[in-house]
Amino acid sequence: QVQLAESGGGVVQPGRSLRLSCASSGFTFSQYALHWVRQAPGKGLDWVAAISSDGNFKYYADSVRGRFTISRDNSRKILSLQMNSLRPDDAAKYFCARDESDYASSRWASWGQGTLLTVSS
Amino acid sequence: QSALTQPASVSGSPGQSITISCTGTSDDVGGYSDVSWYQQHPGKAPKLIIYDVDNRPSGVSNRFSGSKSGNTASLTISGLRNEDEADYFCNSFRTSDTLVFGGGTKVTVL
Repeated sequence: QVQLAESGGGVVQPGRSLRLSCASSGFTFSQYALHWVRQAPGKGLDWVAAISSDGNFKYYADSVRGRFTISRDNSRKILSLQMNSLRPDDAAKYFCARDESDYASSRWASWGQGTLLTVSS
Repeated sequence: QSALTQPASVSGSPGQSITISCTGTSDDVGGYSDVSWYQQHPGKAPKLIIYDVDNRPSGVSNRFSGSKSGNTASLTISGLRNEDEADYFCNSFRTSDTLVFGGGTKVTVL
């Protein structure tokens, strides 16, 4: 079955960088767009970024554009999120999710369990 | 990017029907059929329950239904059950190639 497993979360100081990864299995990775979604403790879902199946199209929320970079390695079946200039309001659990399309849509049937990012000095 | 507007909470008794609204603009909900709904139980990942406004993924109960009128999408849960107690989020594609969630609605089964 489809499996997504996030890693890379941790505690980081404001202004520093961190890279999240999402390893996948159980499906043809190169055929689906992928997303990062975050959720601060006790808060709602917040879409962060998406990437098309071939990696040529990248989409970002205004709150992270210019600081975060989404990428994918279709040969290794890994989705990544490079996060720079981290701020306290970036603290959240970060989920990766698989789109049911090859380009970004709102239809995401498979999710990982998330990795927690804490931003604190 | 402002979120879509959902009521913070909705409640109902077992067997009743409830409806959750999700209001956006012509740049998102009103302009696209790409509207989805997610159910999230505490400590769990979200689960897709409605996509493309009114379609159910395989395996999702037909007690869940979706609709849209103008800039407002709605999720109806019929025959409310204890296990439906969860948070519900709408999600829509938005112009400028972004996506946006609603703030979430906590459903309580009385």
